[in-house]
Amino acid sequence: EVQLLESGGGLVQPGGSLRLSCAASGFTFSSYAMSWVRQAPGKGLEWVSAISGSAGTTYYADSVKGRFTISRDNSKNTLFLQMNSLRAEDTAVYYCAKDPNSNGWYYGLLDYWGQGTLVTVSS
Amino acid sequence: EIVLTQSPGTLSLSPGERATLSCRASQSVSSSSLAWYQQKPGQAPRLLIYGASSRATGIPDRFSGSGSGTDFTLTISRLEPEDFAVYYCQRYGTSQATFGQGTKLEI
Repeated sequence: EVQLLESGGGLVQPGGSLRLSCAASGFTFSSYAMSWVRQAPGKGLEWVSAISGSAGTTYYADSVKGRFTISRDNSKNTLFLQMNSLRAEDTAVYYCAKDPNSNGWYYGLLDYWGQGTLVTVSS
Repeated sequence: EIVLTQSPGTLSLSPGERATLSCRASQSVSSSSLAWYQQKPGQAPRLLIYGASSRATGIPDRFSGSGSGTDFTLTISRLEPEDFAVYYCQRYGTSQATFGQGTKLEI
């Protein structure tokens, strides 16, 4: 059974940093691209970032480019999102999600999602 | 950047009725790159439809997707109580996936 468990969310001041983690199980982690998607309170879904299975290629939304860094540790089946220079508008539930294609390439289709972790940016 | 616009914003129907949700793209989108998700309150989204018309694993056949070019539709043939949720369309297969703003399906 595929399981994705996010952690690392919390309250942070504007300009601060936070590192999110997503522990994966139930599939061969290194064979699949992974993404982060966020949802501000009461709002819709916003794709944030993605990484190929080999970690050789990364992708970012314009809204986070230069501030967020996605990475993964395939030996520990874990996905990360390092978030720097956080702003109030980054406040959201952050979901990690899995691509369904086992070639490791990023397509952006998301077949399994974690339950999310809440990040609140406020002074 | 291609923008996805969903309509209506809110759709009020009753169990047993047919629901038709629309997703319009600002430019032509490949049919193989259009998906639909369902999200219930307090839950993560769930993949329903990919490639515009293919049902994801375990999705009941009352859910169907259609469309091409700039106009796509999600149809729920006979609404069940558990179908009342928010639905999002998504364009994938590009370096930056994008979502529509969502349609809330309410009783």
